[in-house]
Amino acid sequence: EADIYQTPRYLVIGTGKKITLECSQTMGHDKMYWYQQDPGMELHLIHYSYGVNSTEKGDLSSESTVSRIRTEHFPLTLESARPSHTSQYLCASSGSLGNTEAFFGQGTRLTVV
Amino acid sequence: GNSVTQMEGPVTLSEEAFLTINCTYTATGYPSLFWYVQYPGEGLQLLLKATKADDKGSNKGFEATYRKETTSFHLEKGSVQVSDSAVYFCALSDPRGSYIPTFGRGTSLIVHP
Repeated sequence: EADIYQTPRYLVIGTGKKITLECSQTMGHDKMYWYQQDPGMELHLIHYSYGVNSTEKGDLSSESTVSRIRTEHFPLTLESARPSHTSQYLCASSGSLGNTEAFFGQGTRLTVV
Repeated sequence: GNSVTQMEGPVTLSEEAFLTINCTYTATGYPSLFWYVQYPGEGLQLLLKATKADDKGSNKGFEATYRKETTSFHLEKGSVQVSDSAVYFCALSDPRGSYIPTFGRGTSLIVHP
């Protein structure tokens, strides 16, 4: 069973508010990822990290930011939420070499009104 | 770069029908291949994987064979159930891509009683 957790599961927030989506894993994985999933199901990689103090932007441009101060924690922050940020956000992690499958959290459904 | 192409859905079947979801890939290295499943309101879960050519991954009656010559990893199940209704994602992890997962767009499966 996957040991990766996202909070909150659901969030409704007003335009202009600052929000942080939390993601934690207990598997000691070096790599962590944030995906945005649109209603058509496709996953878009928005941020990833190779390890502590490493953060990279993904394929889809995003106004969000991430940090990786600890191996187990990879929070995503939106400084000023807008309705266009409404989406499902999925966090994942993976190991290295022969153990490269990704483990996903349950997701955060964000609605900005 | 790496890419994964899978058949568009939705795929609609009657219970006990045979399922095939096609997946082909492009990779610069020798990737591991995966199928993930996503149930409504949840994150993705690993369904099966194969790490080298001719390997067959299997789980819960689903199976897929890593075909290097055709760069394919088609998902099959002999007799689907209503509970198999979900979205299925084909993915790869390539050492030349630093093992960052690459996902297909997802295929929705709907199984009717």
